[in-house]
Amino acid sequence: GEDVEQSLFLSVREGDSSVINCTYTDSSSTYLYWYKQEPGAGLQLLTYIFSNMDMKQDQRLTVLLNKKDKHLSLRIADTQTGDSAIYFCAENNDYKLSFGAGTTVTVRA
Amino acid sequence: DVKVTQSSRYLVKRTGEKVFLECVQDMDHENMFWYRQDPGLGLRLIYFSYDVKMKEKGDIPEGYSVSREKKERFSLILESASTNQTSMYLCASSLGGQGINQPQHFGDGTRLSIL
Repeated sequence: GEDVEQSLFLSVREGDSSVINCTYTDSSSTYLYWYKQEPGAGLQLLTYIFSNMDMKQDQRLTVLLNKKDKHLSLRIADTQTGDSAIYFCAENNDYKLSFGAGTTVTVRA
Repeated sequence: DVKVTQSSRYLVKRTGEKVFLECVQDMDHENMFWYRQDPGLGLRLIYFSYDVKMKEKGDIPEGYSVSREKKERFSLILESASTNQTSMYLCASSLGGQGINQPQHFGDGTRLSIL
């Protein structure tokens, strides 16, 4: 989606932290989401953050939101081979979500 | 857990055929969505529905139509399939009403090839 931008690829070593970045344009978005897509599968909701928060932590996942810069990031601690997937950032717009093009994360041994 | 089921994982059809993609959700969600996913383009919204018999065009509705006769079922129709409609199609659902910004839950997708 043209309103949500993310880098297309990220390569990370097993055990390191991964950081996936996203910028969005709609300042009225009330929720921002991270979805994960494994090969051949649909999208799985990983986590989401309400726009009045600046951080949310859920086990190995940390979401940071900088509303002033319209920047969202997802940090995965202790990255494992099972974390290899495409990660999509999305912002809500009324009923609809606008998605980024997805970041393909490759975990190398 | 929310379950969104798409009737086929893989489908092969011929140019000019009328194609139906079916989606069923079991959580009594008001909102349902159809997206297509193409490499490097992310997900693009084709149509969505916020109630039975209601539908709204998304960003790329041309060449598609939808049907929502029952709350749990949302069908995507390719009236006359063309090769540029070869893609992965994803269905999603979410709560509506006061939960207007509820997260969307996705099915596993249908990979459609038009020959």
